[in-house]
Amino acid sequence: QLQLVESGGGVVQPGKSLRLSCGASGLTFSTSAMHWVRQAPGRGPEWVALISYNGINTYYTESVKDRFTISRDNSKNTLYLQMNSLTAEDTAVYYCATTKMTTGLDAFDVWGQGTMVTVSS
Amino acid sequence: DIQMTQSPSTLSASVGDRVTITCRASQSISSWLAWYQQKPGKAPKLLIYKASSLESGVPSRFSGSGSETEFTLTITGLQPDDFATYYCQEYNSYYSGFTFGQGTKLEIK
Repeated sequence: QLQLVESGGGVVQPGKSLRLSCGASGLTFSTSAMHWVRQAPGRGPEWVALISYNGINTYYTESVKDRFTISRDNSKNTLYLQMNSLTAEDTAVYYCATTKMTTGLDAFDVWGQGTMVTVSS
Repeated sequence: DIQMTQSPSTLSASVGDRVTITCRASQSISSWLAWYQQKPGKAPKLLIYKASSLESGVPSRFSGSGSETEFTLTITGLQPDDFATYYCQEYNSYYSGFTFGQGTKLEIK
């Protein structure tokens, strides 16, 4: 079974950048589409981005397009989220997640524990 | 993006009760709907996928139904461990937003 562990969260000033990582263990990372989902304090989850198993196709929610970049290194079993031009609205717990379907167009059946990102001066 | 609306926002119930949570989509999503349970400080946990399929390891007291724009999650015989927040989510297409509902908090009466 795939297990996911996020890292890289912390406190960052508005306008700065941060890169999150998601390490995967198990046998199926290189054939798994991967998602980032965030959850602001007291709010419901919000999907952020999706990357195909081979890294060729990426999709983003509108509010992060041109600021966030999802990427992966299958040789390291690691997923990334590069976040630039951060604002207070990006403050949230960030989760990586995956799906049974290799396309990523499916329910999210495996989640990491999350990493907190706080954007504050 | 598709909008997902859950009701009620809060639900008070007792152990042993049967409860139903409703989720409405702003447009048809066929059966591409999931239900999650979330407890404080934890990641969401998948309960139901494809509107009515029970995820492996999830107790059979959880069930889902519906299609197109109207969906329900039913818990029959509430257990103490079930008091949590529940979210629906659509996964209709790569461009629909994988949108979550705003959540239903299930509280002990």
